[in-house]
Amino acid sequence: EIVLTQSPGTLSLSPGERATLSCRASESFTSINLAWYQQKPGQAPRLLIYGTSNRATGIPDRFSGSGSGTDFTLTISRLEPEDFAVYYCQQYVSSPRTFGQGTKVELK
Amino acid sequence: QVHLQESGPGLVKPSGTLSLTCAVSGGSISSTDWWSWVRQAPGKGLEWIGEVYHSGSINYNPSLKSRVIMSVDKSKNHYSLKLNSVTAADTAIYYCTRRGAIIGYAFDIWGQGTMVTVSS
Repeated sequence: EIVLTQSPGTLSLSPGERATLSCRASESFTSINLAWYQQKPGQAPRLLIYGTSNRATGIPDRFSGSGSGTDFTLTISRLEPEDFAVYYCQQYVSSPRTFGQGTKVELK
Repeated sequence: QVHLQESGPGLVKPSGTLSLTCAVSGGSISSTDWWSWVRQAPGKGLEWIGEVYHSGSINYNPSLKSRVIMSVDKSKNHYSLKLNSVTAADTAIYYCTRRGAIIGYAFDIWGQGTMVTVSS
């Protein structure tokens, strides 16, 4: 099973700041199978990024993904008020499909 | 636009069976996509339960495999989840979600989720 470890657990930032979220995998895998999701309270997760760096339909370009091997990053270039949420990385290269434990981006 | 909708009892007794259905609308369950279940315990992260393909191929999370049965009903365009011998630890929001072939099988569409509580 591929274990994904996200850091930091919580990120306290202000609107307009840059957010950098990390996801580290327990073993290397092809980057085409790494995704990021955003979840707001009381809502289902929403796909942001797939294949490490491809934005899903309707996702603004302030969201970007990068990485390879075991280290992956989600960057939000300038935080908007609606971006404060929990973010999960996920691998779907092998079963079981696994998620990281989440990073909460909170208002400073 | 494909839409997913979960349905099923919101309360299940300990040692009983949790049964949920996910209705697929706006598309066919016989497409090249995989159909999954993900759950989220209160205040916790996301846990993948398993996935099913229209042909009947199935993958389960090993941590739940001994208690889970998933199936597809092509005539009704829906798929189902059964989880046996439930305990309080199975209390969670259960989401049905699609692994979309068009985007390389990330989880692109999610139902709104249904809360299931295990309690006597």
